[in-house]
Amino acid sequence: DGGITQSPKYLFRKEGQNVTLSCEQNLNHDAMYWYRQDPGQGLRLIYYSQIVNDFQKGDIAEGYSVSREKKESFPLTVTSAQKNPTAFYLCASGLAGGFYNEQFFGPGTRLTVL
Amino acid sequence: GENVEQHPSTLSVQEGDSAVIKCTYSDSASNYFPWYKQELGKRPQLIIDIRSNVGEKKDQRIAVTLNKTAKHFSLHITETQPEDSAVYFCAAGGGSYIPTFGRGTSLIVHP
Repeated sequence: DGGITQSPKYLFRKEGQNVTLSCEQNLNHDAMYWYRQDPGQGLRLIYYSQIVNDFQKGDIAEGYSVSREKKESFPLTVTSAQKNPTAFYLCASGLAGGFYNEQFFGPGTRLTVL
Repeated sequence: GENVEQHPSTLSVQEGDSAVIKCTYSDSASNYFPWYKQELGKRPQLIIDIRSNVGEKKDQRIAVTLNKTAKHFSLHITETQPEDSAVYFCAAGGGSYIPTFGRGTSLIVHP
């Protein structure tokens, strides 16, 4: 299961708080992704990055922000602007041009709003 | 952009039966079709994938078929076992810049 890690496993947020989810990989992958998973919704793309210092919005980026200062790290911040953040968050990495190659997923972070 | 439809949303079978999950896609430029298995509370993991220059691929009890003309691909699991119980996701990629996932199929294998 090594290669891509996420922390924490569980996270609780009060309304109005920003929280940051960590994602680290040692697979030397250029591409990294953040997905949100809700029951019956599949995997919805929040943000993705194909190279350091560059990232693009996915389908549901509103209320989220990311940074990609290092190849190994792609943290996701869930801001207070995200009105319904309770979900399971998955980070993934892959070779550049990841649309044509396997994605490797982290173990996920379950975020709950109190 | 790409749109991937996956059916059924739930599939219940008896141990030893076969299971088939179907996906359709909309972008004719898509050329990579992976299938991921996600056990309860765990991460999705790739179980098989197929590229557009191939019509079928097998790996032991698992097979995937692709019909580019009709824009659909299917996952076939033979001789199902209780440990096959999980959520299965299809995806299509290569046309748009990132893969698009189906909504998932919950497979339940009854002993």
